[in-house]
Amino acid sequence: DAGVTQSPTHLIKTRGQHVTLRCSPISGHKSVSWYQQVLGQGPQFIFQYYEKEERGRGNFPDRFSARQFPNYSSELNVNALLLGDSALYLCASNTGQGIPSREQYFGPGTRLTVT
Amino acid sequence: QQQVKQSPQSLIVQKGGIPIINCAYENTAFDYFPWYQQFPGKGPALLIAIRPDVSEKKEGRFTISFNKSAKQFSLHIMDSQPGDSATYFCAASPAGNNRKLIWGLGTSLAVNP
Repeated sequence: DAGVTQSPTHLIKTRGQHVTLRCSPISGHKSVSWYQQVLGQGPQFIFQYYEKEERGRGNFPDRFSARQFPNYSSELNVNALLLGDSALYLCASNTGQGIPSREQYFGPGTRLTVT
Repeated sequence: QQQVKQSPQSLIVQKGGIPIINCAYENTAFDYFPWYQQFPGKGPALLIAIRPDVSEKKEGRFTISFNKSAKQFSLHIMDSQPGDSATYFCAASPAGNNRKLIWGLGTSLAVNP
């Protein structure tokens, strides 16, 4: 079975632009979470979605938004990009309910560079 | 404020050694404690996880020890190999519907041949 997939792998944008990152969860997983990982640090939680509804939001500005589609894939959108948004953006999926939902599986990430 | 404190920041051991990585937390609402392994340019991979109702869990060469009263947990890697060289993260997740993970800052492990 395929794991969590993310696209694109790498992205270079300039300040002020917007970006859309995409994630497809593991088959059967209904919940998707997004994390930002700055080089040399642990991931920081951005959003969690389950059954197309937002379940949690981290301490990120309103420039960050996300949504989940009926097929459980998800998009993360970032507007008005800043240099500090340069990071590895990780998507994680889990079953969404029950004890197995505590186990989160991560994709390879999208490396965003803002110049 | 770092909710999950991880140490050491880096660690070097010889092949066959037993590196130990420690984490401490303050929030008693945390009830799930996973460890992740991350190689450069890759996403984190779930290694092993523990809940506070057990004091130890072993999977292959990886063991988690958990001390609920001290609010500490640690990862032991038995018979370490050069292929274990990676960054290791501890994390914690609160009870409830939100599955967000609060992460430590990571430990860079190097296992010399």
